[in-house]
Amino acid sequence: GESVGLHLPTLSVQEGDNSIINCAYSNSASDYFIWYKQESGKGPQFIIDIRSNMDKRQGQRVTVLLNKTVKHLSLQIAATQPGDSAVYFCAENMRGGKLIFGQGTELSVKP
Amino acid sequence: EPEVTQTPSHQVTQMGQEVILRCVPISNHLYFYWYRQILGQKVEFLVSFYNNEISEKSEIFDDQFSVERPDGSNFTLKIRSTKLEDSAMYFCASRNNVGEKTQYFGPGTRLLVL
Repeated sequence: GESVGLHLPTLSVQEGDNSIINCAYSNSASDYFIWYKQESGKGPQFIIDIRSNMDKRQGQRVTVLLNKTVKHLSLQIAATQPGDSAVYFCAENMRGGKLIFGQGTELSVKP
Repeated sequence: EPEVTQTPSHQVTQMGQEVILRCVPISNHLYFYWYRQILGQKVEFLVSFYNNEISEKSEIFDDQFSVERPDGSNFTLKIRSTKLEDSAMYFCASRNNVGEKTQYFGPGTRLLVL
């Protein structure tokens, strides 16, 4: 079946520390993955994406790692800031374009 | 920076009433989507739309739901006879073309069915 799930429902970090949010996916045929950030009352906001022919992609303060062997995806946020507090979803792009979202991890940044 | 917009931001309706949720996708985008998110749950796919027809729909998208692109800019989701369980945030998303897979989401419409 198709499912994308997250290992940790909540994550609390100290401001300035690095954060790592994990995600497991089940569809080995998926070729594209996206991380979204969702703040309270708002829509999902694109953070970073990665294609299945890559194992790492870096953005500004964020890095996504893809391990296709174990079907695992992670989002690393460097020097986490209070503004990073939100729910983070990984999403798997399915054939035809629909996204399958994971349950979400709530990141809480303590000042 | 172009963005997806949605109206209204909040909608309260009585069970059995019809509602129309409106979206204006990013102007040069060709693929359009509706998703919903029940409070505290993950975002769920409802329907995808391309070239003026539905490409794919989920089990949730039953006969009570319909989508339309009435003009060159709007994309609407209609629920003909709302049920209590339709209460959720409804998000519209769009993307450009086959090569660009990133979907950009609107701010959502919070629908409350009483």
